[in-house]
Formats: sequence, C-alpha cells, structure tokens
Amino acid sequence: AQRVTQPEKLLSVFKGAPVELKCNYSYSGSPELFWYVQYSRQRLQLLLRHISRESIKGFTADLNKGETSFHLKKPFAQEEDSAMYYCALSGLNTDKLIFGTGTRLQVFP
Amino acid sequence: DVKVTQSSRYLVKRTGEKVFLECVQDMDHENMFWYRQDPGLGLRLIYFSYDVKMKEKGDIPEGYSVSREKKERFSLILESASTNQTSMYLCASSISGRGFFGPGTRLTVL
Repeated sequence: AQRVTQPEKLLSVFKGAPVELKCNYSYSGSPELFWYVQYSRQRLQLLLRHISRESIKGFTADLNKGETSFHLKKPFAQEEDSAMYYCALSGLNTDKLIFGTGTRLQVFP
Repeated sequence: DVKVTQSSRYLVKRTGEKVFLECVQDMDHENMFWYRQDPGLGLRLIYFSYDVKMKEKGDIPEGYSVSREKKERFSLILESASTNQTSMYLCASSISGRGFFGPGTRLTVL
C-alpha cells in the first residue's frame, strides 16, 4: 500500500539552527517524492521534488531508496520558514498524490 | 500562473443537507483531486479524477461522490451532510505529479 509517514507533528527550533523534517514512505515501485508547504493563510504549494535535485529557499531533500526516506533539510532556519510542511508521493504511472500527516515547523527568533 | 478556484471559502450547512463543492482549474490539467484537511490527519484523498467522467476512489470516499463533466470542473458532493464531515476541503489539479491547490473551503455541518 502507498503510505507517507511524517513522525513529527511539531518541530520547534531557534533561528539559525539546522532543521530536518522527516519523511518515510512505502510504495511498491519507484515513486516520485515531493515536499509541499503551507504558510499561514496561504495555499498549499510545492516546495521541491526529488527529481529536480534543486534547493528551494535553502531547503534540500535527498531520496534514500534503501531507507525509503525523503527528509527535508535546511542548515540555518529562518523565522519565515515557520509553516506546515507535507511530504507527498505519486507513482510513476499515476499522478495520484498521497500526502503525509504534516509537520508544523516553528522557528523562534 | 495556474489558477485553481473553489466556489466558496466558507460554508455552513445542516445535517442531512446535500452539499456541492465546486472546483475549477484553468490550465487544462487532466488530473484533479479532492482532499480533506484535518489537524493531525494531514491531507486525505477523497476522490481523484484523471480525465473527464473518469474517477477513482481515494482513501476516504464514504459519504462523498464526485462529478467531472468538463475537464476544467470537478465537483464534490456530500449526499447527506453529517457533522463528521466538518472540515477544510482542498481541491487540486496536477500535471506531471506537480499539484496546484485551491484556497480551500471550510465546511461546517451543524
């Protein structure tokens, strides 16, 4: 079965601290992995996808197929990073998007 | 920019009423989705449509139905609203796995 697990509901850090939001998945096949972000009073939007191998707003995520993980990392958190973060997957032969339960990141000044 | 619009931002209905939530996208995407978003439960997929008149059940389809008569429009129907359907409903369209979301409809069922 397809499943995305985000073990942390809330992650609180101080500005300048490193951040890692965890995501594990189960999928029979090769999925495509994404991180979405929802800032306060804004729409859910794509942050990054694993096939792009890009860094967006200082965030990176590496797909580890052995550990079936796609953790989101940023070396130095900023206050404006405070938001709800969702990990998601879709299959290569389908665009059905499955989301995790989300992690709220709070960055304190 | 892709635009996904939802017919209402806030909706209050009574138990037993039939409720229609409408979603329109303007980028000719084939895929459209309805999710409900609840604290601690994340986004749960209700229904997915990959083409006009084509639909697939998501994880929580019970109590819901959908309609996709035109490519740009995907409707979610609550046949007989119940209080446990009080939630935030998000519509999305996607292309190549990238999802574009609407602003959401906060539905309260009294």
